[in-house]
Amino acid sequence: GDSVTQMEGPVTLSEEACLTINCTYTATGYPSLFWYVQYPGEGLQLLLKATKADDKGSNKGFEATYRKETTSFHLEKGSVQVSDSAVYFCALSDPYGSGNTGKLIFGQGTTLQVKP
Amino acid sequence: EAEVAQSPRYKITEKSQAVAFWCDPISGHATLYWYRQILGQGPELLVQFQDESVVDDSQLPKDRFSAERLKGVDSTLKIQPAELGDSAMYLCASSLGLASSYNEQFFGPGTRLTVL
Repeated sequence: GDSVTQMEGPVTLSEEACLTINCTYTATGYPSLFWYVQYPGEGLQLLLKATKADDKGSNKGFEATYRKETTSFHLEKGSVQVSDSAVYFCALSDPYGSGNTGKLIFGQGTTLQVKP
Repeated sequence: EAEVAQSPRYKITEKSQAVAFWCDPISGHATLYWYRQILGQGPELLVQFQDESVVDDSQLPKDRFSAERLKGVDSTLKIQPAELGDSAMYLCASSLGLASSYNEQFFGPGTRLTVL
């Protein structure tokens, strides 16, 4: 079945460092891809999305490009801030895949800690 | 800004007791999801509703879990009896429709359940 694999965490960076969180996926159909962020004690918030191959999603300085050839959707940011400390989840939705009704399938999450 | 509401935010119970969680989706959202997030893992779908009908409950432990959305608006998830392994965050999400080119789901703050 469909699945998402993220790099292991935690990731610890100094403020203004570059960030990359790797995400790869397996899907039977043509999924949409998402990054969600979860701040401590809160629910998930959509950070960015991409709906087809070569699309680039971007928001708040974060970017991710839908790479069909490598089945990847890596999250990047050029300069992280302390306020970016959170758990980041890569996810896919494959509403036209076999048996899928549009539910989100998540990776295990990657904790980012940014130090001043 | 419209939000998904959940209550309670925190629940502590003893094993073998019954617990119930409530979710009120964003007004006009036909699709409602309940996810379970075990500490250190990504959320996994328990049940999905389209209006008042269950679309997917394949991962719902039906011997102890039940969910309803009687009027197609708010929803209740019940566990009876609770077991130690049920300790987790229970997230509710809603979206406008069932399947589309992308499927943006909006999440509530979650209910953190601790079973002693």
